[in-house]
Amino acid sequence: DVKVTQSSRYLVKRTGEKVFLECVQDMDHENMFWYRQDPGLGLRLIYFSYDVKMKEKGDIPEGYSVSREKKERFSLILESASTNQTSMYLCASSLGGLPSGANVLTFGAGSRLTVL
Amino acid sequence: AQSVTQPDIHITVSEGASLELRCNYSYGATPYLFWYVQSPGQGLQLLLKYFSGDTLVQGIKGFEAEFKRSQSSFNLRKPSVHWSDAAEYFCALTGDGGSQGNLIFGKGTKLSVKP
Repeated sequence: DVKVTQSSRYLVKRTGEKVFLECVQDMDHENMFWYRQDPGLGLRLIYFSYDVKMKEKGDIPEGYSVSREKKERFSLILESASTNQTSMYLCASSLGGLPSGANVLTFGAGSRLTVL
Repeated sequence: AQSVTQPDIHITVSEGASLELRCNYSYGATPYLFWYVQSPGQGLQLLLKYFSGDTLVQGIKGFEAEFKRSQSSFNLRKPSVHWSDAAEYFCALTGDGGSQGNLIFGKGTKLSVKP
């Protein structure tokens, strides 16, 4: 089975800190995604990447950046964390190379970030 | 615009009762449709998917869903609910419009199960 691992399950940071959320997948997937999940709002796409060093903005990229230096790793960066970035962050990956709609996303367990 | 609507925010059913979770979508072509389940504090697990062909699809844990193009719906059903089915359920869609498989999610339906 594809495994998507998010290194930190729970983080507590202070306003203004730089925060790194790491995600690693072990099945050579082309596509990787970062979503943010908030109660009543569902999941919203922050950024995605379809190749090493490639990235595309999602629906809510403001305040975030990403890095994909290796195929298996996709990092989400909060340059200066703010309280409104307190949320659950979900990483996902998919195979790629198919009609795009046929790519099933596999999710990690999530990283719950609290910014004080 | 593409969208997914789950009209029910919270549903409570008794254990052993049948379940139907509603999902309506808006999309300009035939979508790819998914149902995911999320247990508390966990990531999302794929229950089932519809790509093409038979409009009634079977998934894991005894779930099924039916694609109805005329109603723009993809409702999730289970004939007999177990206490372990208590979770949040998300309907999602994507298409072949160059989105690299990015999913558009509904806001979720939280399922509670009464003993």
